[in-house]
Amino acid sequence: QVRLVESGGAVVQPGGSLRLSCAASGFSFRTYGMHWLRQAPGKGLEWLAHIRFDGSIKYYADSIKGRFTISRDNSKNTLYLEMNRLRSEDMAVYYCAKVEDGSTHFDYWGQGTLVTVSA
Amino acid sequence: EVVMTQSPATLSVSPGERATLSCRASQNVNIYVAWYQQKPGQNPRLLIYHASTRAIGIPARFSGSGSGTEFTLTISSLQSEDFAIYYCQQYDSWPPLTFGGGTKVEIK
Repeated sequence: QVRLVESGGAVVQPGGSLRLSCAASGFSFRTYGMHWLRQAPGKGLEWLAHIRFDGSIKYYADSIKGRFTISRDNSKNTLYLEMNRLRSEDMAVYYCAKVEDGSTHFDYWGQGTLVTVSA
Repeated sequence: EVVMTQSPATLSVSPGERATLSCRASQNVNIYVAWYQQKPGQNPRLLIYHASTRAIGIPARFSGSGSGTEFTLTISSLQSEDFAIYYCQQYDSWPPLTFGGGTKVEIK
C-alpha cells in the first residue's frame, strides 16, 4: 500500500536550516508529482511546494519562496525540503503528499514531521 | 490566488443529525474542489474530489455538491467518528493550491 514517511523535523533556532525527507513506497514514485504542505499549531492547511515527477518543474508558495527548496531523488524514492533562514512562523507540522493520477488533490498524506523554531 | 472561504467555522450537531458544510471560492474553480477530514493528531484524509466524487473507502453518508464558486459537503447522519475538522481545497487554478480555513464539526 502507499506509504509516505516524513523525517527530519527538529528544534531549530531562528535563522537556522533544516532538511526534511519523505520516504515513499507502495507506488511508482518516479511517475508522480509530489507536494509539501504544512500546518501551524491550531491552524489550517497551507500548501508549500510542488515538484514535477522528473524534477524539471517546481512551484513554491510566496511565504517560502527563496528560502525553501524542494527536490527529489527518484533512485531513492525520496522527496526533500531544504529549509533555510527559518522564522518563528515556519513552526508547523510538515506533510508530504501524493496527488491522485491526473489531478491535483491529495489522495495520500504522510503522518507529518514537526519543525519547532525557537531560540 | 483563489481564496476559499468555509462556513460556519464551527458546527454543533447531534449524532444522527445531518451536517451541511459550505465552501465558497473567490473565483470560478469549475468542479475542482476536494474535501478532507482531519482528526486531532492525525493527517488529513481525502473524502471527496472533483466536487462530488467519493474517494475510495469513504462511506456513502458523505456527499459533495456544487460547481463554480459554491460547494457543499453533506454528512447525512453524523456518526461519532465524524466529529472532526473539514477542509475544502481548490485545484483549478494554481500555484498556489489553496485551502479553506476549516469547519469544526462538534458534538451538540
